[in-house]
Amino acid sequence: DVKVTQSSRYLVKRTGEKVFLECVQDMDHENMFWYRQDPGLGLRLIYFSYDVKMKEKGDIPEGYSVSREKKERFSLILESASTNQTSMYLCASSLPRFPQPQHFGDGTRLSIL
Amino acid sequence: ILNVEQSPQSLHVQEGDSTNFTCSFPSSNFYALHWYRWETAKSPEALFVMTLNGDEKKKGRISATLNTKEGYSYLYIKGSQPEDSATYLCASPDSNYQLIWGAGTKLIIKP
Repeated sequence: DVKVTQSSRYLVKRTGEKVFLECVQDMDHENMFWYRQDPGLGLRLIYFSYDVKMKEKGDIPEGYSVSREKKERFSLILESASTNQTSMYLCASSLPRFPQPQHFGDGTRLSIL
Repeated sequence: ILNVEQSPQSLHVQEGDSTNFTCSFPSSNFYALHWYRWETAKSPEALFVMTLNGDEKKKGRISATLNTKEGYSYLYIKGSQPEDSATYLCASPDSNYQLIWGAGTKLIIKP
């Protein structure tokens, strides 16, 4: 069965900390995505990547960066965590051909205190 | 900016009853429409990806229709069961082929 694994289900960090959220997929997918989900809103795209070493900004990239050194791993980095980054973070992957469904991890519920 | 809207926001349905809800999207520059089911404490799961006007897709008791000319899709659940309780999300790609998501319809099945 296909699998997208996020490193933590729950995470609590302090304001100003550098936070790493890891995502690994075992489907050999080229495309990977990071979203955040907040109450009453649809998923919002933070960053995405279509290939190793490649990254593109989504709709809300401010305060975040990403790394994709290997095809299977896509990391989201909060450079200096702030309370407004408290959210549910979801990683997804997909095949490159359009349109393809996205496969999601279980999410990381991140709280910034 | 593409806007995807879902209604209702939440829905309580008696076990055994059938139900449906709506996803609205701009009818111009349409590329595709995705439906996902997101159960609590699990990952969102793709149900359907639809591209053609008039398309209908079915997966067990769940089906979906698509009207690209008027910009809406319906998701139907026949004979609701407790395991259907979830948030149902729809999404449509923008001109950069990135998915724009609705806020979801939370479905609660009452036994």
